[in-house]
Amino acid sequence: AQRVTQPEKLLSVFKGAPVELKCNYSYSGSPELFWYVQYSRQRLQLLLRHISRESIKGFTADLNKGETSFHLKKPFAQEEDSAMYYCALSPSGTYKYIFGTGTRLKVLA
Amino acid sequence: EAGVAQSPRYKIIEKRQSVAFWCNPISGHATLYWYQQILGQGPKLLIQFQNNGVVDDSQLPKDRFSAERLKGVDSTLKIQPAKLEDSAVYLCASSTAPGAGNEKLFFGSGTQLSVL
Repeated sequence: AQRVTQPEKLLSVFKGAPVELKCNYSYSGSPELFWYVQYSRQRLQLLLRHISRESIKGFTADLNKGETSFHLKKPFAQEEDSAMYYCALSPSGTYKYIFGTGTRLKVLA
Repeated sequence: EAGVAQSPRYKIIEKRQSVAFWCNPISGHATLYWYQQILGQGPKLLIQFQNNGVVDDSQLPKDRFSAERLKGVDSTLKIQPAKLEDSAVYLCASSTAPGAGNEKLFFGSGTQLSVL
């Protein structure tokens, strides 16, 4: 079964500390993986996608096929990073998106 | 560009009543999705349209939920009759046609449904 697991419901870090939000997936083929973010009172929106290999707002994520993981990282957290983060999987060629349960990141001053 | 429009923003109904949600995707977006997000969970796909055809409705509870996308533009999702467990935020999202490159989901603000 295709599944996305985000083990942490809540992650609290202090401003300036490193952040890692975990995401593991279950899929036998070649997946496309994404991180979506929802800031307070805003819509859910794309943060980054693995295929682009880009850094957005200082965040990066590396696909590790051996560990079936796509963890989101940022070396120095900012207060404006506080939000709900969802990892999503799109099985190859389906354009269907399967979301994890989300991790709420709180960056403390 | 104008975003995905959804209405209403909030709806409160009693169980066994019916309810309908409306979505207008971004102009030119061929693919439209309805997601259900129960409190504390991630969005769960209910139905995916490509233009006015259904691509995937495997998780749509068809005994009570229905959706249509006439003319391949806006869409309605209906629940009849509603159950307590249908209380959730119903999200509409759209994206460009598959293969267009850099596909990503654009979400609406959602409709928060409370079934009493």
